[in-house]
Amino acid sequence: GAVVSQHPSRVICKSGTSVKIECRSLDFQATTMFWYRQFPKQSLMLMATSNEGSKATYEQGVEKDKFLINHASLTLSTLTVTSAHPEDSSFYICSARGQGRSEAFFGQGTRLTVV
Amino acid sequence: GENVEQHPSTLSVQEGDSAVIKCTYSDSASNYFPWYKQELGKRPQLIIDIRSNVGEKKDQRIAVTLNKTAKHFSLHITETQPEDSAVYFCAASSWGAQKLVFGQGTRLTINP
Repeated sequence: GAVVSQHPSRVICKSGTSVKIECRSLDFQATTMFWYRQFPKQSLMLMATSNEGSKATYEQGVEKDKFLINHASLTLSTLTVTSAHPEDSSFYICSARGQGRSEAFFGQGTRLTVV
Repeated sequence: GENVEQHPSTLSVQEGDSAVIKCTYSDSASNYFPWYKQELGKRPQLIIDIRSNVGEKKDQRIAVTLNKTAKHFSLHITETQPEDSAVYFCAASSWGAQKLVFGQGTRLTINP
């Protein structure tokens, strides 16, 4: 299958600072990328969908000014958690889908801890 | 929008027995149904998928069935092995909607 790389895998930051998470498709062009949040022992909650070169579409209840998503190229999308607070601590995971394809492949996820 | 319900939330079977996980979806326009396996602390891995133009698909010990009329699909794992222990997620999407909607997940435990 296709390879999606997410970085960093773990990050600890201080409350009030911002954190950037990168999601790269290594061997295909990802026209669409998805960002999820996963709480322990729970399902994947879709935060937003981004198409290359367009503004992201956020799910209801997700603050777009807090979770900034950029999809400037066909191989890279970034999620920036701004002014992080302890309640933002979670597992964030991206997935990517190629042009005309149904299959979505996941990055390895980022465990964010805000202290 | 689409809503996907998955059952059971936990499933424990003896090694060698079969495991079945069921999902229902609400949007009749959905036409793509993947299944993902997620081991603890790792990314979900696509293990099998089915499109609405077929009723069944098999890949070695894994099979998926789809009933479009009833709007439900199921994952079947035969001859289960300890390494099958993981959380399994079903999902549904339609081409126009782009996004995948996930079920709640099933924690499968294979007992030796």
